Amino acid sequence: LAKTTQPISMDSYEGQEVNITCSHNNIATNDYITWYQQFPSQGPRFIIQGYKTKVTNEVASLFIPADRKSSTLSLPRVSLSDTAVYYCLVGDFRNTGFQKLVFGTGTRLLVSP
Amino acid sequence: DVKVTQSSRYLVKRTGEKVFLECVQDMDHENMFWYRQDPGLGLRLIYFSYDVKMKEKGDIPEGYSVSREKKERFSLILESASTNQTSMYLCAALKNTGELFFGEGSRLTVL
Repeated sequence: LAKTTQPISMDSYEGQEVNITCSHNNIATNDYITWYQQFPSQGPRFIIQGYKTKVTNEVASLFIPADRKSSTLSLPRVSLSDTAVYYCLVGDFRNTGFQKLVFGTGTRLLVSP
Repeated sequence: DVKVTQSSRYLVKRTGEKVFLECVQDMDHENMFWYRQDPGLGLRLIYFSYDVKMKEKGDIPEGYSVSREKKERFSLILESASTNQTSMYLCAALKNTGELFFGEGSRLTVL
């Protein structure tokens, strides 16, 4: 499983775009990149998943460069409710069988008024 | 979406007690996981299972065991609870799309 590195924390203001980058230098060919959001006293919640280039859904975009050694989660126009911890997770999730999914330390995003 | 249900949101136990944390998923997913989360330490993997009766140690298995007798149920067992096992415990199931679905968590206090 690819080890991931993220910034420990980030600060932003309401209405701004936030970009959180995750480094995963030893990503394998079959690995996907997935991002999760966690609020206090809750389990993490899936945000977005991608393999290469760009993926967009109703809440975020995920940018993955050609070498796939990093990825960037982009949150457009954040609000106070986006204050949370964000984790990136890299692995061959779609393969059945042995799956050891280890989370990194995550990025604590604080959105201020 | 997958629903993952953990049996107890809050538990208080005494040192030395045997503790069972139950987790049930409502889909036919092979992979299930138990994590613990402590302030400043993030999510740490205790045990995981990729099929019935199959179990693998995660990064911090000491003091814990697990049981997977049916595909939908994955139980975490603390054979003799200790105060350093006071924590939030999170169960998860992996959907074949690659999405992990978590339960609400079980906050365990060991006195």
